[in-house]
Amino acid sequence: QSVLTQPPSVSAAPGQKVTISCSGSSSNIGNNYVSWYQQLPGTAPKLLIYDNNKRPSGIPDRFSGSKSGTSATLGITGLQTGDEADYYCGTWDSSLSAFWVFGGGTKLTVL
Amino acid sequence: QVQLQESGPGLVKPSQTLSLTCTVSGGSISSGSYYWSWIRQPAGKGLEWIGRIYTSGSTNYNPSLKSRVTISVDTSKNQFSLKLSSVTAADTAVYYCAREIPEYRWLQLINWFDPWGQGTLVTVSS
Repeated sequence: QSVLTQPPSVSAAPGQKVTISCSGSSSNIGNNYVSWYQQLPGTAPKLLIYDNNKRPSGIPDRFSGSKSGTSATLGITGLQTGDEADYYCGTWDSSLSAFWVFGGGTKLTVL
Repeated sequence: QVQLQESGPGLVKPSQTLSLTCTVSGGSISSGSYYWSWIRQPAGKGLEWIGRIYTSGSTNYNPSLKSRVTISVDTSKNQFSLKLSSVTAADTAVYYCAREIPEYRWLQLINWFDPWGQGTLVTVSS
């Protein structure tokens, strides 16, 4: 059972847009910054979004992030078959026992 | 460009101690204000943060694993290590090491993981 809640799967056609939600609480998303990671099949996770909405160099602007209250959202526009992957949100949880928490992951299928 | 590489036994017997090392290349593990973390992923499941070590040697651990985890750093070898004791089949997973980058803005911590190692599968079985 992950601390952050993500939908298990989402799907959309090539060229379309999709959003992936990540829900938490005041001790994690509500008072900290969210990062998103893309995990292509058989590979390690890769940083996609940090500081809620910033993209590292090399990440196309088709990927975007936002945060409101205790939830965060990853958006992907102009879907490509190469975007098929698992996506994870993560943030610091500043409760009494401070530690990193992740969502359970969302599998994106590009139909 | 910093790269991380995990190494260690791929098979560990139940009740024994799992030991892994992460070698950092392309930069000094002591330079900059970074945390060095271990994260694991059971097959078909999500990510679980195990713990981290700062360049000063201070550590933080996941409360659910704290009693069994030790993370240490060897700056002379540019490596940091994970020891997980009393393992069971539930500890079977791909283990990743990753650099955590912290930034501060208005006294608020902003942090993220980049880069990650390629991961190493550890199976706990007799």
